[in-house]
Amino acid sequence: ETGVTQSPTHLIKTRGQQVTLRCSSQSGHNTVSWYQQALGQGPQFIFQYYREEENGRGNFPPRFSGLQFPNYSSELNVNALELDDSALYLCASTQEFNNEQFFGPGTRLTVL
Amino acid sequence: KQEVTQIPAALSVPEGENLVLNCSFTDSAIYNLQWFRQDPGKGLTSLLLIQSSQREQTSGRLNASLDKSSGRSTLYIAASQPGDSATYLCAGAFSGGYQKVTFGTGTKLQVIP
Repeated sequence: ETGVTQSPTHLIKTRGQQVTLRCSSQSGHNTVSWYQQALGQGPQFIFQYYREEENGRGNFPPRFSGLQFPNYSSELNVNALELDDSALYLCASTQEFNNEQFFGPGTRLTVL
Repeated sequence: KQEVTQIPAALSVPEGENLVLNCSFTDSAIYNLQWFRQDPGKGLTSLLLIQSSQREQTSGRLNASLDKSSGRSTLYIAASQPGDSATYLCAGAFSGGYQKVTFGTGTKLQVIP
């Protein structure tokens, strides 16, 4: 167990809809990162939050947005869903003394 | 642009064999490198983390090395077991304002009883 939880486990949406995915980091981990993992690929970095501020972003359009809250929870929001958004979405919290990342179990999003 | 590559994409070995998984990266300004295991449809389990100042890390039957000058890391698994069957991913954290982590595409390992 990594102490990082994600909800929901699975989600089915239709094209054009909006979705919110949730993550609860380990207590004391001020950095949370979100990744998208397509089938058979390595995770792709979406963005990173540190103390409720976005401090880094990968090559994802603005319809991917996030929030981080003081209680170590965070959200990934995706607007105007496209078929290619179907993937496993992973969040990871970072242990600050050595920068080790701990991942949650992921949310499997299917867009029809 | 940082790139992380893992070769081979898939590997099948008999139980008990020692094996090496390879990871290469293009940016020598690496902050750390982390090896993960992923079971089908699941999240990532951290195996070993090597800081840029270190050469290797060991945990049980696993040993990971890091050579910044050649842009390579290896994960050595001793006495492989069927339970080791999974996809192994390496991820490099590179300096630059924030720690951007770049993953390889993984090596799918099958250990045959």
